[in-house]
Amino acid sequence: SAVISQKPSRDICQRGTSLTIQCQVDSQVTMMFWYRQQPGQSLTLIATANQGSEATYESGFVIDKFPISRPNLTFSTLTVSNMSPEDSSIYLCSVAQYRGLALGYTFGSGTRLTVV
Amino acid sequence: DAKTTQPPSMDCAEGRAANLPCNHSTISGNEYVYWYRQIHSQGPQYIIHGLKNNETNEMASLIITEDRKSSTLILPHATLRDTAVYYCIVRVASGFGNEKLTFGTGTRLTIIP
Repeated sequence: SAVISQKPSRDICQRGTSLTIQCQVDSQVTMMFWYRQQPGQSLTLIATANQGSEATYESGFVIDKFPISRPNLTFSTLTVSNMSPEDSSIYLCSVAQYRGLALGYTFGSGTRLTVV
Repeated sequence: DAKTTQPPSMDCAEGRAANLPCNHSTISGNEYVYWYRQIHSQGPQYIIHGLKNNETNEMASLIITEDRKSSTLILPHATLRDTAVYYCIVRVASGFGNEKLTFGTGTRLTIIP
């Protein structure tokens, strides 16, 4: 399965600023996803970022707040814009690849963001 | 994708088998059962998946009932490192534009020394 590197692993940011999170994959993958995990909660999908198409956002998430780039099959970025303390979460990227007939999903180790 | 129901928490003694149940009564014929776990502060880790038949790998066994409305993940000899939140997810194998993985609340498994 793919190996995912996320940067930064953690950051503390001032409110009103923006942070760009990078996700690097060691193999070419078409399907990539960004998740948010708020403290003590499960994972919530932010958007699907397939290469060659615009990112598809889930309900409650908008492009102006979470712009995503997907320039090639091994890399993506998620920006958290105009941050507030409510954006303090772990952000994870994930890729999907086929394991036999079914998709298998691999996750990065996440970016722990604290907004002060 | 069909919804799943899991107990919020479970304990298991170290060295014993941990049996984690999952109900998915609305599962459809083309939906797989996936299990992932998340150890504190790490990204979710794939454990196993299955469609109809029971499955086993180096980490665990997956037992799916004949009517496919429920399943059990079995960790045969639980260790302290198996303490984690375990997610049971049901979804179709693939489908253009429908590849996302949706997480429920999972079961917090604590292995007791």
